Amino acid sequence: GAVVSQHPSWVICKSGTSVKIECRSLDFQATTMFWYRQFPKQSLMLMATSNEGSKATYEQGVEKDKFLINHASLTLSTLTVTSAHPEDSSFYICSAREITGEYEKLFFGSGTQLSVL
Amino acid sequence: AQKVTQAQTEISVVEKEDVTLDCVYETRDTTYYLFWYKQPPSGELVFLIRRNSFDEQNEISGRYSWNFQKSTSSFNFTITASQVVDSAVYFCALSDGNYGQNFVFGPGTRLSVLP
Repeated sequence: GAVVSQHPSWVICKSGTSVKIECRSLDFQATTMFWYRQFPKQSLMLMATSNEGSKATYEQGVEKDKFLINHASLTLSTLTVTSAHPEDSSFYICSAREITGEYEKLFFGSGTQLSVL
Repeated sequence: AQKVTQAQTEISVVEKEDVTLDCVYETRDTTYYLFWYKQPPSGELVFLIRRNSFDEQNEISGRYSWNFQKSTSSFNFTITASQVVDSAVYFCALSDGNYGQNFVFGPGTRLSVLP
């Protein structure tokens, strides 16, 4: 079945540094990818929708200058947390949408645990 | 607006007990999709089932079964003869018919299966 690879699985960084998270669809082309954030013991909240070749669409309350999304190819979307601060520490999950005919599926990456010191 | 409610925040059962996780959804769309995902402690999301709004047939997959009732806007999930490995957070999710552009997760239910 389709696989979405997300790297890194976890990252620890110092406050003020930037962190890039990659999301790759391994065996299908994903014109649309989604980025979610999950705080401990909470649900997944959509941060932004990433469309290949165009600007990402951010959900209300998500700072687009803080969370830079690039979807330069049909198989890769990246999320860069710029000038990370401890409050950015969270679990980030991406998903990629596969459309085959009238059937649509979402496949999720394994997530990235970000800890900002 | 779409909304998913999972009223049970945490459930604890003893191994071999049956357990039902509730999911109630709200949508104005006539075409929509419902999902269940499992999130074990490792964090990844494991797809369990997808059901479209036109298919109200109940489904059984091994120890898992799902009861879709449009009349009550519910899509409940039952685990029969629960096992310790079933311990996880379970999310119900709703997507509209527009190729999943709007995908909403419920708050999740944390299931602990005790030996």
